[in-house]
Parts: sequence; structure tokens; C-alpha cells
Amino acid sequence: DAGVIQSPRHEVTEMGQEVTLRCKPISGHNSLFWYRQTMMRGLELLIYFNNNVPIDDSGMPEDRFSAKMPNASFSTLKIQPSEPRDSAVYFCASSSIHPTDTQYFGPGTRLTVL
Amino acid sequence: EDQVTQSPEALRLQEGESSSLNCSYTVSGLRGLFWYRQDPGKGPEFLFTLYSAGEEKEKERLKATLTKKESFLHITAPKPEDSATYLCAAGGGADGLTFGKGTHLIIQP
Repeated sequence: DAGVIQSPRHEVTEMGQEVTLRCKPISGHNSLFWYRQTMMRGLELLIYFNNNVPIDDSGMPEDRFSAKMPNASFSTLKIQPSEPRDSAVYFCASSSIHPTDTQYFGPGTRLTVL
Repeated sequence: EDQVTQSPEALRLQEGESSSLNCSYTVSGLRGLFWYRQDPGKGPEFLFTLYSAGEEKEKERLKATLTKKESFLHITAPKPEDSATYLCAAGGGADGLTFGKGTHLIIQP
């Protein structure tokens, strides 16, 4: 099993640019989660999908953030325009059936916005 | 609102010195209490799930226990390779998991 796959692993961009983060969940998992991790706030849930449908996006900071899951094997998190305060590590995780089942995390994308 | 609080924030131990990490939670209808290990530059790695008060699970030098308000991660005779950040998360209702901020554990040789 390849586990959760995220790309890119590192992204450095300038303020105002569009950033797209990608995630491939574990095959057969029905729920997918996007988290942001910072030293100050720890792991914060941004949004999660169940069967490709967004269920809770109350953690998305503002309208600059958007997420899609066009099929069961792919999801994107987009930030447009990016700002320096968006710098963080973004994790994708998936779980098998219920959103509170064990979640398995990807390696993360470290985003730096200059 | 679900809340998870971990203590201490950081812990430094000598190799072989046993200790416990604490996770206090307030969750409506707990579906599971999860422990993860996170190494620098990596994603959280799943360790244990506990479902009901009184349950215990073990893996090598780690043992997790659960009460109605807290969970403990006991580390027995730790080794330097046990150094990591340990995260606790609680699952309740349909809102996914709520994570604590973690305990940064350092085991000195």
C-alpha cells in the first residue's frame, strides 16, 4: 500500500501567486481531510470530504482557500492569492469509512510564501 | 465544542527513565481516542485507537490507557529513538478528529 501521497513536498512562492496542493488518498478510503499545521496553532482541520462531497469546510480560513475532490482518488487545495501568513505545513489524510475512523496522513507539503 | 489538551508541552527524559504523557478531552459522544507519533518533517504516524474507558493497548515500550476524561501514553524504559512529538486526537459525532497540540518528547542517551 502506497499510503497517502501528496505533492509537491515543498513549495516556495511569492505573495499574490496561486498555489495548488495535491493529494491522492489510500485506495478504498471514503473520507479525505485537509489539515494545516503551525507551531502556534498545531494541527487544524480545514475541510473534509466524504464520498467526494465536502461535508465541513468551517475550518477554511477565508475565501482565498478552496478545495475540490473530483473523484475518489484525487483532491486539491488551492490558495489564491497566497499571503505570507499562509506559510505552514499542509497535510492530507484519509480514513476508511466514518470521518472519525483512524486517519492516515501523507508526508505533507511545506509551503513558504515570501 | 470539542477540546483536547495535552500536557506537558515538552518533556526531556534520560534513556531508561519511564514517564507518562497526558491527554484530557471534552467530546460529545466519543467515538475513539487516537494517539499519533510525529517525527520532524513527516506526517503523523498512527499508534493506537482506544474506544472505551478502561481499555488499554500496548506496542513495544508504549502503552495507552483511557478513562472517561483522560488518556495516558505511558513510556517504559524509553530509548533515544522514541524521541518525537506525540499527538492525541478525539473523535466525536460527525466532525472528524480534534487534535491536541502535542507533547514534544526528547530522550537523552
